Amino acid sequence: GEQVEQLPSILRVQEGSSASINCTYENSASNYFPWYKQEPGENPKLIIDIRSNMERKQTQGLIVLLDKKAKRFSLHITDTQPGDSAMYFCAASSNTNKVVFGTGTRLQVLP
Amino acid sequence: GGIITQTPKFLIGQEGQKLTLKCQQNFNHDTMYWYRQDSGKGLRLIYYSITENDLQKGDLSEGYDASREKKSSFSLTVTSAQKNEMAVFLCASSIGTTNERLFFGHGTKLSVL
Repeated sequence: GEQVEQLPSILRVQEGSSASINCTYENSASNYFPWYKQEPGENPKLIIDIRSNMERKQTQGLIVLLDKKAKRFSLHITDTQPGDSAMYFCAASSNTNKVVFGTGTRLQVLP
Repeated sequence: GGIITQTPKFLIGQEGQKLTLKCQQNFNHDTMYWYRQDSGKGLRLIYYSITENDLQKGDLSEGYDASREKKSSFSLTVTSAQKNEMAVFLCASSIGTTNERLFFGHGTKLSVL
């Protein structure tokens, strides 16, 4: 199978705290794992990605972790701000270039 | 920079009608995609194409046709619109034929009466 499971579907956190979103994938040939942010009324935009030759990547308050054995990857947003409130999607793809998305997480950062 | 243009932005159809959505990109990207997004939900892959005249089925291809007429354009046809159907169809493209980021268009919002 090629499904990507994403949890939680809704995540509410206090401003300044961290937020974590988890995804699991089925296709063991998957080797590219991007994360997209979609703000209301906008199209999804890439915020960070990780390839299978890495276990961790960090950029501007975002951390992604990849556990290939468990077929699991996660996004961690540190020091959340109101501007981080949005829908977040994980995705996985293999060399076929078929990109399968998770079901999305609605993140709400509370003041 | 490039841009992905989807037309129309809004599409209102009748039950049973055949409807065509168009997507153009000027990135010179090889791979193009069509996704369906239902309100507040995830993106489900309908079709993708890694080069001109190529077509690959996604998980939601039943009820749809697609055509990659040239490198820059990828069209999607809803073969028979379902009553009360409402969704946003997102077109995307990526460089090359191996894994790179997707760039999305702003979507076509479909409503079926």
